[in-house]
Amino acid sequence: DQQVKQNSPSLSVQEGRISILNCDYTNSMFDYFLWYKKYPAEGPTFLISISSIKDKNEDGRFTVFLNKSAKHLSLHIVPSQPGDSAVYFCAASDWDSNYQLIWGAGTKLIIKP
Amino acid sequence: NAGVMQNPRHLVRRRGQEARLRCSPMKGHSHVYWYRQLPEEGLKFMVYLQKENIIDESGMPKERFSAEFPKEGPSILRIQQVVRGDSAAYFCASSPGTEKNIQYFGAGTRLSVL
Repeated sequence: DQQVKQNSPSLSVQEGRISILNCDYTNSMFDYFLWYKKYPAEGPTFLISISSIKDKNEDGRFTVFLNKSAKHLSLHIVPSQPGDSAVYFCAASDWDSNYQLIWGAGTKLIIKP
Repeated sequence: NAGVMQNPRHLVRRRGQEARLRCSPMKGHSHVYWYRQLPEEGLKFMVYLQKENIIDESGMPKERFSAEFPKEGPSILRIQQVVRGDSAAYFCASSPGTEKNIQYFGAGTRLSVL
């Protein structure tokens, strides 16, 4: 029972262009969403988050959009840089146990020079 | 300011042996979480601890697995009588008391059971 789904195992984007990573969820009780970035042999690093009371949050080159009616969120990276090549995980939590992060399987982003 | 420290980074055990994974949270963090990641999957929550207390262990297998976070020293995830299916990456995260959602992760321990 996958409550958080990242349907694209990998994504290849040209350097300088926009990268769009997608995430879908099924649990309507989720009220907080996070994106983490992970390099090989390292732990996940927090990138950006969004509360369900918002539909957009921006931090530098990273913007997260939340569409609650579609139970969908996306991470936009613009412009994409070679150092952005990593696995990106979407995670969610609900108000009841807000410490228990439910994770997607990840999307491997490859930035081509 | 050191981040979350996990050791060992790699651990090899034979079936039936015990595995002990250690985690020191970030300075000032009193909340510790353990997650397990199988190949090609996302992380799965195992347990949430505060100093000397297990708050939620709903993600822990009922047998062979235990966790502690003593008053002094690191948090320990202990796996007794390991089996091949325990082979995975185990990640520890910590957070300050007031921001539970944003968790900061260590580099993980990769357990291989032969």
